[in-house]
Amino acid sequence: AQSVTQPDIHITVSEGASLELRCNYSYGATPYLFWYVQSPGQGLQLLLKYFSGDTLVQGIKGFEAEFKRSQSSFNLRKPSVHWSDAAEYFCAVGERNQGGKLIFGQGTELSVKP
Amino acid sequence: GAVVSQHPSRVICKSGTSVKIECRSLDFQATTMFWYRQFPKQSLMLMATSNEGSKATYEQGVEKDKFLINHASLTLSTLTVTSAHPEDSSFYICSASGTPLDTQYFGPGTRLTVL
Repeated sequence: AQSVTQPDIHITVSEGASLELRCNYSYGATPYLFWYVQSPGQGLQLLLKYFSGDTLVQGIKGFEAEFKRSQSSFNLRKPSVHWSDAAEYFCAVGERNQGGKLIFGQGTELSVKP
Repeated sequence: GAVVSQHPSRVICKSGTSVKIECRSLDFQATTMFWYRQFPKQSLMLMATSNEGSKATYEQGVEKDKFLINHASLTLSTLTVTSAHPEDSSFYICSASGTPLDTQYFGPGTRLTVL
């Protein structure tokens, strides 16, 4: 069955430090992959997506992610974290043969310390 | 672009009453809309998928008679929680996409509290 794993429930980084949030997926075919961010009490905002082509994807707010098929991973990175990046981050895989349904990981809560 | 709104953002109701939540795509036509439920500190759970003009497809374990979904136009889908009970209290989020395999854009969510 398709699944998404975000191994880290909570991560704390210092402002200005680099960030990497991990995401591993299990999917039979080439997946659609997404990273979303959710601030408390809010909906989800799309950070970036991978459908095909270049495996290094650039997103909004300075985020990027790299699709590594051999590792079934789609890790999210940012070179320098800002305090406003504190939020919940969700990785998701889109099921191409299920009308675009998304399967979400459990989320990683990011805290940023000054 | 790709803005999705939800109304209301917050609703409190008495047990046994019905509550309707609206989801609108403001600047694009949404052929497909999705409804999710999110418990505190947890991930999103897909409840159902609706295509404009068709009956919604519910996920396993979701009561279709309790959670009525209507997708009557390309910009509006509604979720009605019928005979709500305290266990239905949750954060409900909708998303919309222009085509079934397109990117989903999410609404800001509706906090439902059933007393």
